[in-house]
Amino acid sequence: DVKVTQSSRYLVKRTGEKVFLECVQDMDHENMFWYRQDPGLGLRLIYFSYDVKMKEKGDIPEGYSVSREKKERFSLILESASTNQTSMYLCASTPGSGGAHEQYFGPGTRLTVT
Amino acid sequence: AQKVTQAQTEISVVEKEDVTLDCVYETRDTTYYLFWYKQPPSGELVFLIRRNSFDEQNEISGRYSWNFQKSTSSFNFTITASQVVDSAVYFCALLWPESTNAGKSTFGDGTTLTVKP
Repeated sequence: DVKVTQSSRYLVKRTGEKVFLECVQDMDHENMFWYRQDPGLGLRLIYFSYDVKMKEKGDIPEGYSVSREKKERFSLILESASTNQTSMYLCASTPGSGGAHEQYFGPGTRLTVT
Repeated sequence: AQKVTQAQTEISVVEKEDVTLDCVYETRDTTYYLFWYKQPPSGELVFLIRRNSFDEQNEISGRYSWNFQKSTSSFNFTITASQVVDSAVYFCALLWPESTNAGKSTFGDGTTLTVKP
């Protein structure tokens, strides 16, 4: 079974802190994604990566950066956390080119910024 | 532009009732893929079904069924004889050719289904 894991289920940080959210997948998937989920707004794509060291902005990249040094790991970085970044963060992965594949999701990290 | 609309924000039913979750999509492409995902209270989205644009056959899996109609750009999801365990947020998603290689889908806002005992 494909497994996507996220480093924390719950995280509380202070305004201005640098925050790292880690995501690891174990199925050699090329594509990885970071979303945030807020009530009434569905899933919004922050960044995605289709290969090691490759990244592209999603719909709401402001205030975030990402890192993909290894194929299995995709990190989301909040350079200076703010209260409006309090949210549920979901990581997902999917195989690369060659067809339309469903996304495999991690359990999510609920981040609270105080 | 690609868009997915789930007009029903929240639905509440009593156990054993049938319920239909609506999904309407927009795309100019003739080849595309539609998905449904379930997000139970535990938080992890789980894939339910994928449909490509050339296959309009309805699908049934146990109590779940899906009705894909290109004429109305809809891909609706019906749960028959609902159960409390069906309580979750359900997302409809669209994947189109330009995004296929990157696997990037666009998601609807989700429908929260509550099934009461």
